[in-house]
Amino acid sequence: DIVMIQSPDSLAVSLGERANFSCRSSQNLLFKSNNQNSLAWYQQRPGQPPKLLISWSSTRQSGVPDRFSGSGSGTDFTFTISSVQAGDVAIYYCQQYYTPPFTFGQGTKLEI
Amino acid sequence: QVQLQQWGAGMLKPSETLSLTCDISGASLSGYFWSWIRQAPGKGLEWIGVINHSGSINYTPSLRSRVTISLDKSKNQFSLKLSSLTAADTAVYYCARGGGLFVGKENSHFDYWGQGTPVTVSS
Repeated sequence: DIVMIQSPDSLAVSLGERANFSCRSSQNLLFKSNNQNSLAWYQQRPGQPPKLLISWSSTRQSGVPDRFSGSGSGTDFTFTISSVQAGDVAIYYCQQYYTPPFTFGQGTKLEI
Repeated sequence: QVQLQQWGAGMLKPSETLSLTCDISGASLSGYFWSWIRQAPGKGLEWIGVINHSGSINYTPSLRSRVTISLDKSKNQFSLKLSSLTAADTAVYYCARGGGLFVGKENSHFDYWGQGTPVTVSS
């Protein structure tokens, strides 16, 4: 199975500050046939299902504010919130869909 | 607007079988993968398995002997059964659109999720 490791486990920032989340996979997630990385980022607020924010490592979903962004390739990925808002308090997960079984990181909890 | 509405029994005893159904509106079963995912209390997300419109399936190895995922094309629904329950199966179970069967660019992220069904296994 591909192991996904996120860091840090928790992150405390002030309103308006930048937040950076890291995700590392145990295998390369880049498909050479389409030059895309099979890596997604989700936001989960308490009592809610996860919400897809970013797919293919850097493609923001429709309706997601542009202060959320993703980057990286291969085995190392970064998710960034450029200016944290109060509503961003949540746990953020990365997930690989390169191959089943599909696996998630353990999550990074964002606090204000 | 794609919506996934799920339901099933939430309180079960050890050795019983969990049965959940996910109803899909705003999308057809065809052309997509449909997965079940669970989250134990205070824990992360665990993918359980996937089915496509043809009925092809793939399960996570640790649950393969106890899991069955099926679909009902006439109702645009898919279902999960998990047998021989133990306390370790206590979790919130989600249905979601996405997944895949093999290594390949056809695999997809999980873009739509059900609301979740809390399941407690206790004697």
